[in-house]
Amino acid sequence: AQSVTQPDIHITVSEGASLELRCNYSYGATPYLFWYVQSPGQGLQLLLKYFSGDTLVQGIKGFEAEFKRSQSSFNLRKPSVHWSDAAEYFCAVGASEGGGADGLTFGKGTHLIIQP
Amino acid sequence: NAGVMQNPRHLVRRRGQEARLRCSPMKGHSHVYWYRQLPEEGLKFMVYLQKENIIDESGMPKERFSAEFPKEGPSILRIQQVVRGDSAAYFCASSPFTTNTEAFFGQGTRLTVV
Repeated sequence: AQSVTQPDIHITVSEGASLELRCNYSYGATPYLFWYVQSPGQGLQLLLKYFSGDTLVQGIKGFEAEFKRSQSSFNLRKPSVHWSDAAEYFCAVGASEGGGADGLTFGKGTHLIIQP
Repeated sequence: NAGVMQNPRHLVRRRGQEARLRCSPMKGHSHVYWYRQLPEEGLKFMVYLQKENIIDESGMPKERFSAEFPKEGPSILRIQQVVRGDSAAYFCASSPFTTNTEAFFGQGTRLTVV
């Protein structure tokens, strides 16, 4: 069974500074990987996803993530954060075997706080 | 094209009552997933449905919980005889494909059991 670990429960970053949120996964084959963002009281919005090919994927709102098979990681990055980026961020893995029809497995999330 | 619509957004039930949560997928989507989010936790997969079929319910509690996705109308997640531990946010996601690779999430229903 797959699993996802987001080691940082909270991260505080100054506005304009760079950001990296960590995500480690466990899955036997090449997984489907996702990053979602959740604003308070809202649903989840997909930031980006990785299925295959180029290991550096670009997403919305200036985010990118890099798949590193050797480290079983899929860290999310942004070169310069904005106050509106304050939210909860979830990494998720989907099983590629079986056509990826199973539900996603989510990490517990990282709460991002932006300091002015 | 409206997104995934869930209603109600907030639901309060007394212990022992029934909770019915509705999810209307995006237009053209015939695959629905339900997830539960407990406080300070990530989302946990509950069930995956296609029209008139339950494909995977491995994440559903064995008792009191059921889900359906009829030919017409929204998908329904039903919780009978609710207990305080059922208090959570319940999210629905829909996809146009047979995989979860393009799932879009609704805004969730926040269930509070008092």
